[in-house]
Amino acid sequence: DVKVTQSSRYLVKRTGEKVFLECVQDMDHENMFWYRQDPGLGLRLIYFSYDVKMKEKGDIPEGYSVSREKKERFSLILESASTNQTSMYLCASSLRAGGTWSNEQFFGPGTRLTVL
Amino acid sequence: GQQVMQIPQYQHVQEGEDFTTYCNSSTTLSNIQWYKQRPGGHPVFLIQLVKSGEVKKQKRLTFQFGEAKKNSSLHITATQTTDVGTYFCAGSNFGNEKLTFGTGTRLTIIP
Repeated sequence: DVKVTQSSRYLVKRTGEKVFLECVQDMDHENMFWYRQDPGLGLRLIYFSYDVKMKEKGDIPEGYSVSREKKERFSLILESASTNQTSMYLCASSLRAGGTWSNEQFFGPGTRLTVL
Repeated sequence: GQQVMQIPQYQHVQEGEDFTTYCNSSTTLSNIQWYKQRPGGHPVFLIQLVKSGEVKKQKRLTFQFGEAKKNSSLHITATQTTDVGTYFCAGSNFGNEKLTFGTGTRLTIIP
């Protein structure tokens, strides 16, 4: 079974702090994703990586950065946390489809981040 | 950019009633996927539809992909308490491995 793990289930930080969210997958997937989930807004893509050291902006990248130094690990960084970044953060991974469709995504359990 | 809308946002049904959620994309999709998220859980993949007009069934769940590949639906027959959760559709464009998720439909069951 694919396993996607995230470093914390719950996190409380103060405004202005630098926050690191870590995600690790154990199935050698090429693609990794970071989403945030807010009520009524569904899942919104923050950043996407299709290979080591490669990244693409998603729909809402402002205020976030990412790092992918190893294939299995994808980190989301909040350089200076703000209260409007309080949310549920979900990491996902998938195999590269390489064709005209995308493959199913496997999600981690999520990190509920509260910024005070 | 691409937008995927889902309706309704919430649905409360009596156990045993049917349930349907609809998904509409602003652009033609190469495929559409459906996910289920149980309360307190994370999204889990249910199915993928690729062909125009495709219909797939999983026990009491029926998934359809529209002829124009811009809309989709999920129908659950005779709902059970285990169907509780939020259902998301997610679409991708040709040659694009990113998914755009719909806003989700939250299903609650009245026993």
